[in-house]
Amino acid sequence: DIQMTQSPSSLSASVGDRVTITCRASQSISSYLNWYQQKPGKAPKLLIYAASSLQSGVPSRFSGSGSGTDFTLTISSLQPEDFATYYCQQSYSTPTITFGQGTRLEIK
Amino acid sequence: EVQLVESGGGLVKPGGSLRLSCAASGFTFSSYSMNWVRQAPGKGLEWVSSISSSSSYIYYADSVKGRFTISRDNAKNSLYLQMNSLRAEDTAVYYCARDSGNYVAFDIWGQGTMVTVSS
Repeated sequence: DIQMTQSPSSLSASVGDRVTITCRASQSISSYLNWYQQKPGKAPKLLIYAASSLQSGVPSRFSGSGSGTDFTLTISSLQPEDFATYYCQQSYSTPTITFGQGTRLEIK
Repeated sequence: EVQLVESGGGLVKPGGSLRLSCAASGFTFSSYSMNWVRQAPGKGLEWVSSISSSSSYIYYADSVKGRFTISRDNAKNSLYLQMNSLRAEDTAVYYCARDSGNYVAFDIWGQGTMVTVSS
């Protein structure tokens, strides 16, 4: 199975900061990488698909990049509503889909 | 409004069974592959099972293979997960999620239903 490793596992940041979260695959997954945001007690929300495509309705401060094994999710200017847990997900080895362990973004 | 609503969760003893349902509305359910994803308390997301639009292709995570059965009824716009031989490690919130068709990204999620396996 393809393993997905996110870093950091948690981070503290302030409103207005630029934040980058990294996701690394155990083997090349081309651009088959999606990003989700999850707030406590809520379902995940799709932010980015195909590594860099912004899901409809998602603010443009969110962006994704990368291909192969290394990917990043960047939030250009943190807003209060962005404090949440973020997950990457690979879909290269469909049907066996795997998620990263999550990155918890907290208010500093 | 595009929506998925799960039901059927609850408390069950180890070795017991439970059937989850997911009611879809606001989109053409029969055109989309569907999935179940679970999340144990305080843990990350784990894909459980998927089913293609016409039920031709069905897949399971190794952790549930042989115990869980996914199905759908396109006439009723509903997705199901029959869970047998439940174990404590199956305790989780279970989400149904729609496959957008783009890179197997899950674009619509239900609110989740909690399954607790405990004696």
